[in-house]
Amino acid sequence: AQSVAQPEDQVNVAEGNPLTVKCTYSVSGNPYLFWYVQYPNRGLQFLLKYITGDNLVKGSYGFEAEFNKSQTSFHLKKPSALVSDSALYFCAVSGANNDMRFGAGTRLTVKP
Amino acid sequence: KAGVTQTPRYLIKTRGQQVTLSCSPISGHRSVSWYQQTPGQGLQFLFEYFSETQRNKGNFPGRFSGRQFSNSRSEMNVSTLELGDSALYLCASSLETGVADTQYFGPGTRLTVL
Repeated sequence: AQSVAQPEDQVNVAEGNPLTVKCTYSVSGNPYLFWYVQYPNRGLQFLLKYITGDNLVKGSYGFEAEFNKSQTSFHLKKPSALVSDSALYFCAVSGANNDMRFGAGTRLTVKP
Repeated sequence: KAGVTQTPRYLIKTRGQQVTLSCSPISGHRSVSWYQQTPGQGLQFLFEYFSETQRNKGNFPGRFSGRQFSNSRSEMNVSTLELGDSALYLCASSLETGVADTQYFGPGTRLTVL
């Protein structure tokens, strides 16, 4: 069965500092991994995905993610955090039947 | 291009009633998936429709059902509502079938069961 885990419920960073939101995965076969962000009372917004190719994936709003096969990780990163990045972040894996399995979410708070 | 739209945005029902939620996918998208989001269980996959057929189903009771129309619009129905059905119901559409399609989400319908 495909699954992802987000080990941190909460991540706090200061504005201007780099941020990392962690995700590990467990899949049989090729991993198809996604990051989404959710703002209050909103649906999920797509940030980026990994299918194959370069291990560093660039996405929307300056976010990027690093795929690491040996560590089965897909961490989300941004070089310089903004207060407006404060939101709930979800890692997800796409199953063979196009059903997406989400992690529990990590709440990112960026303080001025 | 207009995004995924969901109606209504908010609903209040009482136990035992039934409810129908609607989702209009992005133009040209043929696959529609439904998810339930709750604080306790997180985001859980309900089902996916493609070409008016349910292709995949998550682990939910038969009270949860759905359908898709020829224009790809989808509806989700929950019968005999329970308090635990209170949740944000999200609809997502994607362009093609197959693995690793990006799903684009609507704003959700907030269902409260009293």
